[in-house]
Amino acid sequence: AQSVAQPEDQVNVAEGNPLTVKCTYSVSGNPYLFWYVQYPNRGLQFLLKYITGDNLVKGSYGFEAEFNKSQTSFHLKKPSALVSDSALYFCAVIPMDSSYKLIFGSGTRLLVRP
Amino acid sequence: DAGVTQSPTHLIKTRGQQVTLRCSPKSGHDTVSWYQQALGQGPQFIFQYYEEEERQRGNFPDRFSGHQFPNYSSELNVNALLLGDSALYLCASSYVTENTEAFFGQGTRLTVV
Repeated sequence: AQSVAQPEDQVNVAEGNPLTVKCTYSVSGNPYLFWYVQYPNRGLQFLLKYITGDNLVKGSYGFEAEFNKSQTSFHLKKPSALVSDSALYFCAVIPMDSSYKLIFGSGTRLLVRP
Repeated sequence: DAGVTQSPTHLIKTRGQQVTLRCSPKSGHDTVSWYQQALGQGPQFIFQYYEEEERQRGNFPDRFSGHQFPNYSSELNVNALLLGDSALYLCASSYVTENTEAFFGQGTRLTVV
């Protein structure tokens, strides 16, 4: 079955420190990969995507993500966390099997403490 | 640009009733998808509409149906509501090609009592 795993329910980091939110996937072929962020009582906001090319993609608000094909991972990173980054982060994939749907992970709550 | 707009924002229904949720896509987008997000979980794909046709469907029963109008707006209908249908329902719009990012509305919080 096609799936996305976010192994950490919550990530805690101090403001100013680097952060990593982990994501691995299990889908056929070479999927399209996405990160979204969700603030309380809000919909999902697009952060970044990997389609092809450079394994390091840069996105909104200083976030970046590294695609690793051999490890089937797409970890989200930021060099210096802000308190305002505290939110729920979702990794998602679109499998390259004529599928149009986003398959989401279960989400990781990021808590940045001052 | 208003982005993706959904209505209503909150809704309370009784078991067995029917509900209709509405979505207006981001300007220029021609594809609308619906997702169900249960509390503490990631969104689950319900279906996607393009050119007024259901293009793909997730693992949801036939009680869930939809429609897309010529102006690309969409409705999600759920019949015979169950308590387990309580969730945040998210509408996402995009261009037809699958490698473009989807833009999400703020969602409709449905509570079934």
